[in-house]
Amino acid sequence: GNSVTQMEGPVTLSEEAFLTINCTYTATGYPSLFWYVQYPGEGLQLLLKATKADDKGSNKGFEATYRKETTSFHLEKGSVQVSDSAVYFCALRKETSGSRLTFGEGTQLTVNP
Amino acid sequence: DADVTQTPRNRITKTGKRIMLECSQTKGHDRMYWYRQDPGLGLRLIYYSFDVKDINKGEISDGYSVSRQAQAKFSLSLESAIPNQTALYFCATSTGNYGYTFGSGTRLTVV
Repeated sequence: GNSVTQMEGPVTLSEEAFLTINCTYTATGYPSLFWYVQYPGEGLQLLLKATKADDKGSNKGFEATYRKETTSFHLEKGSVQVSDSAVYFCALRKETSGSRLTFGEGTQLTVNP
Repeated sequence: DADVTQTPRNRITKTGKRIMLECSQTKGHDRMYWYRQDPGLGLRLIYYSFDVKDINKGEISDGYSVSRQAQAKFSLSLESAIPNQTALYFCATSTGNYGYTFGSGTRLTVV
């Protein structure tokens, strides 16, 4: 079946540091890949997505590239801010699974001033 | 008003009680989902519905039931709550393309 694995957390960084959160997936065919962000006390919000191999999703300074050869979709940001503190979820969707999302475990990011 | 509204936001209930979590949406989306979030486990799908007459079990449906009363309403019930159902519950909607819209969640504690 489909699965998503994220790097173990939590992650603590200083402001302006470089961020990488690793995400790898297992799925047949060509799933669509997503990063969602959950701020404290809120629901999940779509951060970025990629629908085919080599696509790069980007939003709010975050980027992730769909790498089929390594089945990965790592999230990066060049300079994090305190306001980026949140939980980040990697997810995949297969059309054959009826648009259901399969989520990774989530990674808690804390950015200190 | 929020696009996806969940009620209640927080609930404490006793073991063995029946409880219903409600979700309503103004997005006009056909597809609705109930997920459960536990620390270190991410979100797991409980039930999903593609329209009023279409209800499907997700990964962890045991101990839960759902009702799709209208296109805009999708309720989750715990017939006899148990402590390991303590979790954060999310309702979500989608059009079947890529966008999911999530509610703000219901934090349920079973004591």
